[in-house]
Amino acid sequence: NAGVTQTPKFQVLKTGQSMTLQCAQDMNHEYMSWYRQDPGMGLRLIHYSVGAGITDQGEVPNGYNVSRSTTEDFPLRLLSAAPSQTSVYFCASSYSGLAGGGEQFFGPGTRLTVL
Amino acid sequence: EDKVVQSPLSLVVHEGDTVTLNCSYEVTNFRSLLWYKQEKKAPTFLFMLTSSGIEKKSGRLSSILDKKELFSILNITATQTGDSAVYLCAVARMEYGNKLVFGAGTILRVKS
Repeated sequence: NAGVTQTPKFQVLKTGQSMTLQCAQDMNHEYMSWYRQDPGMGLRLIHYSVGAGITDQGEVPNGYNVSRSTTEDFPLRLLSAAPSQTSVYFCASSYSGLAGGGEQFFGPGTRLTVL
Repeated sequence: EDKVVQSPLSLVVHEGDTVTLNCSYEVTNFRSLLWYKQEKKAPTFLFMLTSSGIEKKSGRLSSILDKKELFSILNITATQTGDSAVYLCAVARMEYGNKLVFGAGTILRVKS
C-alpha cells in the first residue's frame, strides 16, 4: 500500500513552458485534491475531484487544469508556467462520504520553480 | 467566506516548556477540525475533533474543540526538539466531497 504518490519531486521550468504533475493513490478514495503551499499562507486548494469524471475549482484555480479519468490518478497540468506558480504542490486524497470526519492523506509534494 | 485563523504565527520555546497553539474558525456547515504536523515534507495527521469539550490525547500532545466559541487549541507538554515543525489547523465542511479550509499555520521552534 503506497498511499499517495507524486512525481516528480523537483522540477524547474522556464516561463511559458507547460508540464504535468502526477498524483496517484491506491486507497480507493473518491476524493482527490491539489494544494499549493507558499510561505506564510498555509495550504490553498487549487482543484479537487469527488470521483472519476468529476472535477471542480478550488480557491486558486487560474493557470491550472485537471482531469480525473480513473479513481487512482489525478494529474495537475500547468498550461503556461509563470514565476507566480513557483511553489510546493501537494496532492491529497480521502473518502467522500458524509460519514467520517474528513481526514486527508497527503503525498510527499513537488517543489516547482519557474524561472 | 470560510476562514481559519491560527495564532501565534510563530514561537520559539526551550525544551521542556509547554506550548498552546490556537485555531479559530468561521465555516458554514462545520463537520470537523483537524490538526496536522508538517516537518519540511507532507503534513501528517495528528487529531480530528468533531465534538465540543472532548479532549483527544496522543502522548504529550492533546487537543480540544469548543464549537460554541468556534476555536480549538493544541497543547504540547514537555516539548522536545523533535516537536519543531509547522502545525496546521484545517476545518472540513458537512458536504459531499471533502474540501478542507486551512489556516496559515504556526511555526514552532524548540531550542535545546
